[in-house]
Amino acid sequence: GENVEQHPSTLSVQEGDSAVIKCTYSDSASNYFPWYKQELGKRPQLIIDIRSNVGEKKDQRIAVTLNKTAKHFSLHITETQPEDSAVYFCAASIGGNTPLVFGKGTRLSVIA
Amino acid sequence: ETGVTQTPRHLVMGMTNKKSLKCEQHLGHNAMYWYKQSAKKPLELMFVYNFKEQTENNSVPSRFSPECPNSSHLFLHLHTLQPEDSALYLCASSQEALQGVGYTFGSGTRLTVV
Repeated sequence: GENVEQHPSTLSVQEGDSAVIKCTYSDSASNYFPWYKQELGKRPQLIIDIRSNVGEKKDQRIAVTLNKTAKHFSLHITETQPEDSAVYFCAASIGGNTPLVFGKGTRLSVIA
Repeated sequence: ETGVTQTPRHLVMGMTNKKSLKCEQHLGHNAMYWYKQSAKKPLELMFVYNFKEQTENNSVPSRFSPECPNSSHLFLHLHTLQPEDSALYLCASSQEALQGVGYTFGSGTRLTVV
């Protein structure tokens, strides 16, 4: 089955700097890659997603890139703010009736 | 609220107790999921229901028993749990299990087994 690896497990950045979180997946048939943000004590929430027919997608300060050949995708956050501090999860799915497989999460701390 | 409601928010139970977790979604979704979140395995899939039918049981011990009476409600029945079962149990829903798109999570039930 699909296996998703996520790095780093923790990341600290200064406010205003950029943050990058990387994930690799094992199944080349995977075609959907969402990212979830979970603030302390709250539920995971979808922040951005990308499909395999697209190489990059942006939404304001966040962007996701996908490299199908290398089977990895990354989340990029620019101009980080303290409210970006949270745990971020990547996930992958091959579609059909197969549910999402999540990475182990990255705890991002933005230091003011 | 995002449309997925879980009750109770917190639960403390003894190892010999029987309790149930409830999840309700008001989004018109057809797929519902139970996830276990712990420090060791941050988002571990337990069960998947698509149109009320269980489509995945991720090798979950039989002391966890799911029930999905309709597409809007999902239960997780608990009995003779172990302390290592203490975790945050998250329910999620999506329009359909196909492609796993757009999961909406509930706030979770924080379970402590004593």
